[in-house]
Amino acid sequence: QVQLVESGGGLVKPGGSLRLSCAASGFTFSDYYMSWIRQAPGKGLEWVSYISSSGSTIYYADSVKGRFTISRDNAKNSLYLQMNSLRAEDTAVYYCARGNIRILDAFDIWGQGTMVTVSS
Amino acid sequence: QSVLTQPPSVSGAPGQRVTISCTGSSSNIGAGYDVHWYQQLPGTAPKLLIYGNSNRPSGVPDRFSGSKSGTSASLAITGLQAEDEADYYCQSYDSSLSGPGVFGGGTKLTVL
Repeated sequence: QVQLVESGGGLVKPGGSLRLSCAASGFTFSDYYMSWIRQAPGKGLEWVSYISSSGSTIYYADSVKGRFTISRDNAKNSLYLQMNSLRAEDTAVYYCARGNIRILDAFDIWGQGTMVTVSS
Repeated sequence: QSVLTQPPSVSGAPGQRVTISCTGSSSNIGAGYDVHWYQQLPGTAPKLLIYGNSNRPSGVPDRFSGSKSGTSASLAITGLQAEDEADYYCQSYDSSLSGPGVFGGGTKLTVL
């Protein structure tokens, strides 16, 4: 079935780095743009980063620009988020989500999320 | 603080109808950009509920409906059920921001 599975979360000290992965299955990964969306504990959803289907177009939220890097490997059906210079305010559940232009760019498939905790 | 404003909470008794508003501006909803709605049950990932202002994905009950007018959008839930208790988020695009979309702050629906 159509599925996204995140991994790579964990506890990291402020200033540290972490790399999240998102494995896609059940659909042609290279046909879809992808995003990372996060949710701090008890808070709402915040879009973090976008990558086009080919990887040629990338956007970041201002809150992570210069610190996070999104990438994808279409041959491996995988999405990544390299997070550097982590701060306490980056603590959140990170979701990968599929953007679907066929339904007006809604995020129609979400992973289960991976928790990132930034704390000393 | 999001550019899309939702009420923090709404409530209703089983069987009743509730609405959740999503208020934007001329750079997002008012500019004609589509609004999508997501439901997040406790402890789970968000799920697409309404796309393109008023369209339901396959499997979403017709008790859920969406509409848009001017700079605002609304999600309506009729025949409220206990299982509808969740957080609801609107999402649209804003021309003043980069990326594919911005989320509203979310609304907690309590079924009394």
